[in-house]
This record gives sequence, structure tokens and C-alpha cells, in this order.
Amino acid sequence: EIVMTQSPATLSVSPGERATLSCRASQSVSSNLAWYQQKPGQAPRLLIYGASTRATGIPARFSGSGSGTEFTLTISSLQSEDFAVYYCQQYNNWPPATFGQGTKVEIK
Amino acid sequence: EVQLVESGGGLVQPGGSLRLSCAASGFTFSSYWMHWVRQAPGKGLVWVSRINSDGSSTSYADSVKGRFTISRDNAKNTLYLQMNSLRAEDTAVYYCARGRSSSSWYYDYWGQGTLVTVSS
Repeated sequence: EIVMTQSPATLSVSPGERATLSCRASQSVSSNLAWYQQKPGQAPRLLIYGASTRATGIPARFSGSGSGTEFTLTISSLQSEDFAVYYCQQYNNWPPATFGQGTKVEIK
Repeated sequence: EVQLVESGGGLVQPGGSLRLSCAASGFTFSSYWMHWVRQAPGKGLVWVSRINSDGSSTSYADSVKGRFTISRDNAKNTLYLQMNSLRAEDTAVYYCARGRSSSSWYYDYWGQGTLVTVSS
């Protein structure tokens, strides 16, 4: 099973600033990596798939990069609605398709 | 508009059973693989099970293998998860999710979740 490790666990950012979230895979997952956003009491929402392709309706301030074992989600200018928990997920080797433990982006 | 609506959660004693349902609308249900993903309180997301588009193939996480059964009724546009021999560690919000394709197991639509609590 591929283990996904996200860092940091918590990221404190001021509105308008850039946020950079990291995700590392225990072995190569090629570009088969997705990012999700989850707000309290809500279901996850797909942000990015294929490591760098934004899902339908996702604002351009969200961008993904990386391949192999190292991935990054960047939020270029944080809006109030972006404070949430973000999960990465690999879908290169399955089952299971594994998730990281999440990064909480909080208001600084 | 794609919608996934789960139901069937609740409080159950250890060793008990529950059946979750997920009603799908707004897309051709019979064309998609479907998945269950769970989230224990305050914890992360964990894949539980998947079923292919016609229901002929399934797979499970090791933690639920032999206890849970995924199924679907394409005529009713409904996904199911039969959960038997429930344990305290099965306590979680259970989400149904649409798999993007048979080979791409990321999830483009999710239900709102249904809470399963296993406790005496």
C-alpha cells in the first residue's frame, strides 16, 4: 500500500497570502494524484486531478504540480472561503487508493 | 446536476448490522464505478470499497473484508453498503463517491455522508 504524507499538518496564513501544501508518496505514483478540499461538516470537493488539472469550476488561484513522489498544491492568494482541510490522494496503485492525513489551512 | 444522497446511518451495537444506501441522480449511474469512503470523527479519509459499473466486480479495504458487502441496483440508481459484524472502529461518516473512470480512482462527486456510530 502506498503511504501518502502531507506537510505541514497545519498552515497558518493571512488572507491574500500564498499557501503551499506538500504531499509525498512512499513510491512513485506518476501523475495520478488528486487534491480535495473539505470544510467542516461538508463532503470533500475535488480540486485537482492528474497532479495539475483543475476540476470543473475550481478557481485559477488553485494550482497543482509535481510527479513521481513529490507534489505541491498552491493557493496563490488565500480567500476567506479557502480556509479548510486539504487532502491529497494517489490513484496510481489500487486498491486501495490512499489519502494523505490532511493539511489544515487556518487564518493567521 | 449530479447528486448523491446517502441514508441508513445510525447508532448500532457492536456486532450489529446496518445497510447504507446512496441514491444517485443527474448522471448515467450505470456507466460509473462507485465507491464508499469513510471518515472517523476528527480523522482523515479512508477508502472502503468499490464496485464496477455493472456490479460484477468488487473490492474492499482489508479492514472491512469479509464483513462489508457493496452492491448496486442500476435500475434504481442506487448504491448499497451492507455492514455486518460492526466494531467500534467502524464509527465514521460514510460517503459514497463517483469514481471518475474504471482506471482513475479519484472522486469527482461525493454525497453529503451518513454517520454510523457503533457503541453499546
